[in-house]
Amino acid sequence: ELKVEQNPLFLSMQEGKNYTIYCNYSTTSDRLYWYRQDPGKSLESLFVLLSNGAVKQEGRLMASLDTKARLSTLHITAAVHDLSATYFCAVVWGGGTSYGKLTFGQGTILTVHP
Amino acid sequence: GAGVSQSPSNKVTEKGKDVELRCDPISGHTALYWYRQSLGQGLEFLIYFQGNSAPDKSGLPSDRFSAERTGGSVSTLTIQRTQQEDSAVYLCASSLRLAGKSYNEQFFGPGTRLTVL
Repeated sequence: ELKVEQNPLFLSMQEGKNYTIYCNYSTTSDRLYWYRQDPGKSLESLFVLLSNGAVKQEGRLMASLDTKARLSTLHITAAVHDLSATYFCAVVWGGGTSYGKLTFGQGTILTVHP
Repeated sequence: GAGVSQSPSNKVTEKGKDVELRCDPISGHTALYWYRQSLGQGLEFLIYFQGNSAPDKSGLPSDRFSAERTGGSVSTLTIQRTQQEDSAVYLCASSLRLAGKSYNEQFFGPGTRLTVL
């Protein structure tokens, strides 16, 4: 059974600071997703990481993937209040015609305060 | 263009009643997924439709849950004899599967919040 674990689960940051969210998964997968969810809203896709060593950046967020270590990181640079949300990583599993199901981490609730 | 839509946005029902939740995927998307988000269990996969293939129902929690997809487009998730533990947000996602490509980004709808009293 595929397990996906995020840490920390709760993150309170000051504006301007840097921090990293970690996502570990238990079995081999060839892609990993990061999603953002605002309260009462659905999931917004942030990054898709397809290969070992992949790095993607958008604004103050940068995601990376190490498939050998089964680890992805989401790095936040110089946090601003607008980044406050819940962040999920998700790993694809399933084979053959079932390929594509997502297993999600528990989510990291990020709060950025002045 | 239009994204994934779901209806209703909120549904309150009494224990023991049946409910139907609807999902309209992005036009042309061949794959459709249902997930459930609850406080206790987080985000869980329920069922997956891909084209004309038999659906993958491996995530359905009990035989009270069923889903169908008509004409390769709209999907309905049905929960019979609802229980309080069914209270959750039900999310639908769709994606485009292209021949020769493994890229499979899923786009999520706004969800249906189900409350079972």
